[in-house]
Amino acid sequence: RKEVEQDPGPFNVPEGATVAFNCTYSNSASQSFFWYRQDCRKEPKLLMSVYSSGNEDGRFTAQLNRASQYISLLIRDSKLSDSATYLCVVGATDSWGKLQFGAGTQVVVTP
Amino acid sequence: NAGVTQTPKFRVLKTGQSMTLLCAQDMNHEYMYWYRQDPGMGLRLIHYSVGEGTTAKGEVPDGYNVSRLKKQNFLLGLESAAPSQTSVYFCASSYGTDIGSYNEQFFGPGTRLTVL
Repeated sequence: RKEVEQDPGPFNVPEGATVAFNCTYSNSASQSFFWYRQDCRKEPKLLMSVYSSGNEDGRFTAQLNRASQYISLLIRDSKLSDSATYLCVVGATDSWGKLQFGAGTQVVVTP
Repeated sequence: NAGVTQTPKFRVLKTGQSMTLLCAQDMNHEYMYWYRQDPGMGLRLIHYSVGEGTTAKGEVPDGYNVSRLKKQNFLLGLESAAPSQTSVYFCASSYGTDIGSYNEQFFGPGTRLTVL
């Protein structure tokens, strides 16, 4: 079983709509959570960290549910430029230095 | 600042050949990482380094070696390339941190390697 699992998608979203997707993690020692964005054939870049109380960054909202061991990302008012693959990334205290990356969720925003 | 750079960008090898991938960062980061990315599998850590002169194994270290002789450089070597090592290789770096916490990793543009 993969330590970090994501729905690969694609999530086809009309421009201006809202899209949300989750990521589940299996290691209960996980304590650091991130969403990275990866454009086609490019390197991953940090989108946002995920804090216990949930956090927003503009049109992006991230939530953490420790009890059920999942994090979520919600994108409001989707733009064409939001089309990308979103990587869920988790760091654990029992495997320090070794971030676990999910395989990514592809989002395609259509006009 | 160039950030994290990788050379080469593309390479085709024959089975059994060797090569070295170079990663360089100009952000004075303590930590550096080598990942491979394969379709449907996400990024997998090959080796990493928490400082000059130190290296450690990641999730998939077999068939690879690394060296960190200078703080700004992290080299990944393939001694005898195999078709299973066909992949996209990403280098990353980050600031040093206390054990148990993680800082943002900055990635290089990747090296696309094909082994025939």
